Amino acid sequence: NAGVMQNPRHLVRRRGQEARLRCSPMKGHSHVYWYRQLPEEGLKFMVYLQKENIIDESGMPKERFSAEFPKEGPSILRIQQVVRGDSAAYFCASSLTTDYNYGYTFGSGTRLTVV
Amino acid sequence: SQQGEEDPQALSIQEGENATMNCSYKTSINNLQWYRQNSGRGLVHLILIRSNEREKHSGRLRVTLDTSKKSSSLLITASRAADTASYFCASIYGNNRLAFGKGNQVVVIP
Repeated sequence: NAGVMQNPRHLVRRRGQEARLRCSPMKGHSHVYWYRQLPEEGLKFMVYLQKENIIDESGMPKERFSAEFPKEGPSILRIQQVVRGDSAAYFCASSLTTDYNYGYTFGSGTRLTVV
Repeated sequence: SQQGEEDPQALSIQEGENATMNCSYKTSINNLQWYRQNSGRGLVHLILIRSNEREKHSGRLRVTLDTSKKSSSLLITASRAADTASYFCASIYGNNRLAFGKGNQVVVIP
C-alpha cells in the first residue's frame, strides 16, 4: 500500500501561470481532503471531495481555485493565475469512511513557489 | 475559526528528557488527534483520543483530555533525536474537516 501520493513534490510557477496539484488517495479510500499550510502555520482546510462530488468547499478561495476528484484518476487541485500569496505547501489526506474516529492519512505535500 | 490551538511553543530538550505540549479547543469535540510533521514532510497521525476518554497511551506517547477545560496534552517520554519535529493537535468539525493549531516545534538535542 503506497499511501497517499502527491505530485509533484515541488512546483515553481511564475505569476499568472496555472498550477495543477495531484493527489492519489490510499487504495480503497474514496474521501479526499485538501489542506494548505503557510510558513510557520498549521494546516487550513480547503476542500473535501468524494468520487465525482464536492462535499465541502468552504475553505476554498472563491476565485482561481478549483478541485475535482473524477471517477478515474487522482484528485486535482487547480490554481489559475497564481499569485505570490499562493506560495505554500498543499497537503492531501484520504480516508476510508466518514467515521471520524480514525486518523487521516496525509501525503507528503506539494510545495508551490510562485516567482 | 480553528478549534485546535496549541500553546505556541518551541521546546528544546536533551535526549532522554520528557516533552509536554498542550492544546486547547473552543467547542465540543468528538475526538482530538495529534499529528507529527518532520521538516519539509507530510503529517503523520500519532494518536487519537475520544471525547469519552481521559487518557490514552501509545508507546512513548501519552495523551490526556480534559473536556471540562477543553484542553489536551501530549507527553513524549524518554525523547530521542528522531522526535525532533512539529506537533499539531487537531479536532474534527463540520464535514469531517480537521481544524489544526499552529503547532509546537520540538528539538531534541542528542
